[in-house]
Order: sequence, then C-alpha cells, then structure tokens
Amino acid sequence: DTGVSQDPRHKITKRGQNVTFRCDPISEHNRLYWYRQTLGQGPEFLTYFQNEAQLEKSRLLSDRFSAERPKGSFSTLEIQRTEQGDSAMYLCASSLEVVEGAEGYTFGSGTRLTVV
Amino acid sequence: TQLLEQSPQFLSIQEGENLTVYCNSSSVFSSLQWYRQEPGEGPVLLVTVVTGGEVKKLKRLTFQFGDARKDSSLHITAAQPGDTGLYLCAGVRYNAGNMLTFGGGTRLMVKP
Repeated sequence: DTGVSQDPRHKITKRGQNVTFRCDPISEHNRLYWYRQTLGQGPEFLTYFQNEAQLEKSRLLSDRFSAERPKGSFSTLEIQRTEQGDSAMYLCASSLEVVEGAEGYTFGSGTRLTVV
Repeated sequence: TQLLEQSPQFLSIQEGENLTVYCNSSSVFSSLQWYRQEPGEGPVLLVTVVTGGEVKKLKRLTFQFGDARKDSSLHITAAQPGDTGLYLCAGVRYNAGNMLTFGGGTRLMVKP
C-alpha cells in the first residue's frame, strides 16, 4: 500500500463547469476525510465517512458539493457549477478508527483546483 | 474564525538557531497533533500529544501539550534547512468524529 492517493493532482476548469476528484485511502482504513486548504491557511474540514456512511458535513459544503464513498473504499468529491472561490487544494485523509486514543491520519498529496 | 491560533505566522532564521512555535485555543481538545507540510503536498503527521502536560521529543523537535489541553508548543533545536516548511497544529475531539481542527500554520524558513 503506497498511502493515500488523490487524482488528479491539478485541475484547471472554467467557472460554471463541474469537476470530480477521487481519493483512494489506505486499504485497511475505515475513516475517510475531505479537507479544503486555501493559500496561506490551514486545512478546513469538509466531510467525513466511516465506511460508506457520510457521518458529518461542514457548513462549508454547500449544495454544489457532494461526496460519496459507495463501497467504503475510494471516495469522490464533486463540485457543480464551480466558482472562483472554489479554487483551493482539496485534501483527502484516511485513518483507522481506534477505541481509545488518537488516530493516525494519513493525508494524500491533494488536488489543486484552479477555477478561471 | 480559527479555533486554534498559531504564532508566529512566519519565521525566518539562520541554520543553527533555536525556535518555538505556539498553538493556542480557548477550547479543550482530546488530543493535539502537529503536522509538517511542504509546498504542493499534503500534511505529514509528526506527533500526537494526548495527556495534559505531556512532552514528546522527536530528535531535535520537542512537543508539549498544555496542562489544560488547550495549547501546545513545538520547539526546534539547532534548526536545519531541511526543517523548512509549514507547521500545522490540529486539535482532535473524540466525540466529534475525530475530525481535525487546524490552526493557520507557521511558515518556517531556515537559511543555510
């Protein structure tokens, strides 16, 4: 297993177009997270899955955003009708749920979205 | 609004100097993690501190969790150019899906 993979690494799209990103987590990890990071800021939480169930969504995730994890393995994040404000790095992370204590998160390298 | 405030935001030092980065919050966290991020890459976990007052050492890096579990610090001894990067602290709440709340980051540049 080579870690968390994200595809594509970079995406340039015109305003109003739809885009979809993919994340392949570490295979034995049952939790998967999406974060968004704008330039000069720390990542902000968007949503997370435990297996195939989407358990939490941030207020940052407007109606134009949708995320899925259909079989509890890979996940997709779709943005419809993109806006310039959607330009950011979209990070995926996975972890293995533990009964007690802190989980070790592994982040992917991210997808950098530029909306022109 | 950042729940976790990091300071300083930027730090430029010479190789061999020592530095401390601070991460402060008015909220209590179950644990706190420190990450390092290089340009164009995702954050990489350095350490997790769990117990109030805990101190962890990772070679030249020393991490401390405040007694009240609201703040943390990262101290680097004899900084090297390879330490250059964005350092992020992130608070974890176990009753909130273990999602991470990140600080704004400290961008460190170590000049040779």
